[in-house]
Amino acid sequence: DVKVTQSSRYLVKRTGEKVFLECVQDMDHENMFWYRQDPGLGLRLIYFSYDVKMKEKGDIPEGYSVSREKKERFSLILESASTNQTSMYLCASSLWTSGVWGSYNEQFFGPGTRLTVL
Amino acid sequence: AQKVTQAQTEISVVEKEDVTLDCVYETRDTTYYLFWYKQPPSGELVFLIRRNSFDEQNEISGRYSWNFQKSTSSFNFTITASQVVDSAVYFCALSEPNGLENSGYALNFGKGTSLLVTP
Repeated sequence: DVKVTQSSRYLVKRTGEKVFLECVQDMDHENMFWYRQDPGLGLRLIYFSYDVKMKEKGDIPEGYSVSREKKERFSLILESASTNQTSMYLCASSLWTSGVWGSYNEQFFGPGTRLTVL
Repeated sequence: AQKVTQAQTEISVVEKEDVTLDCVYETRDTTYYLFWYKQPPSGELVFLIRRNSFDEQNEISGRYSWNFQKSTSSFNFTITASQVVDSAVYFCALSEPNGLENSGYALNFGKGTSLLVTP
């Protein structure tokens, strides 16, 4: 079974704090993703990574950064948390395989971290 | 612009009714994938199905079926004889080339349809 774990289910931080959200997958997947989920907006991509030390911006990268030092771990960093970053954060991973369809493998999601910024 | 539209925000049905969740997508690419995910109250998204743009065959898996029609850019999901355990938020998603070779393609999600099945 693919397992994607996130460091916390619930997190409460203060405005201005630096926040780290950790995600670990145990299936040797090349691709990892960070989304945030807000009511009425669905899931929106923040950043993704297709290899160690590689990262690409998603749709809403402002206010966030990421780190991928090891293949299994993908961290989302809020440099200075703000109240509008209160949200559910979801991490996902997927396998990359060669061939035109290889990059479309399904993503496996972690349980999410509900972050509240006060 | 929204690439995936799930016009139904909430649907409520009584157990054993059939229910169809609509999904309309927009893309200029000829090669793409469509997905459905289920998010139960526990919060973790569960993969249901993946369909590539060249395969328009309908698929059935138990009580679930999917109708992919490129002519109308739709990928609708039907649950037959719904059960209480089907209560969840269902997301349709589109994956299309992002111009990066050898990279995993990110998903564009619709806003989700919340399905409530009551006894």
